[in-house]
Amino acid sequence: DQQVKQNSPSLSVQEGRISILNCDYTNSMFDYFLWYKKYPAEGPTFLISISSIKDKNEDGRFTVFLNKSAKHLSLHIVPSQPGDSAVYFCAASGPGGAGSYQLTFGKGTKLSVIP
Amino acid sequence: KAGVTQTPRYLIKTRGQQVTLSCSPISGHRSVSWYQQTPGQGLQFLFEYFSETQRNKGNFPGRFSGRQFSNSRSEMNVSTLELGDSALYLCASSSDRTKQYFGPGTRLTVT
Repeated sequence: DQQVKQNSPSLSVQEGRISILNCDYTNSMFDYFLWYKKYPAEGPTFLISISSIKDKNEDGRFTVFLNKSAKHLSLHIVPSQPGDSAVYFCAASGPGGAGSYQLTFGKGTKLSVIP
Repeated sequence: KAGVTQTPRYLIKTRGQQVTLSCSPISGHRSVSWYQQTPGQGLQFLFEYFSETQRNKGNFPGRFSGRQFSNSRSEMNVSTLELGDSALYLCASSSDRTKQYFGPGTRLTVT
């Protein structure tokens, strides 16, 4: 049972335009959400996050929107640049064992920004 | 601060063998998590260690095990390797729940 879903395996966008990556989740216990970016042969790097008490968080060209009622979040990149071409993972944080928190990842969306 | 380091970076093993992967977290981070990444499957959680204790465990068979040392360094072990264990194994460390920092991964190939 996939608790975090990224339904688009890939996305192509022209340089300068907006990239919108989507993520859906099913577990209502998730209360913190993160986006990671991954280049080939490297580990994922943190991009941006949002707490469930907010509906928007912005950092430069990156904005994450959270719709709790729809259990949906999206990452907007404006303007898109060729260096943004990578795989983007959505992750959700919820209670794990022994009072800890555990991250659950989606399968990723490969973004290609075309010059 | 130095980032998360993982050794070795690449490994080729034969079916039936066992393998041990190592992870050194960022200094001061006490939580270390391990993930398996295979094509099309995203990052699947293996387990998390905190202060030498396993706090969380994912849905993997008992062939996958791990441990954490008093200096927070962690190892994971896979026994009786299968072809399906070929994957990128990622280690991440954190000091709180808001962010995990990943290492570059160990690429394991089982032949």
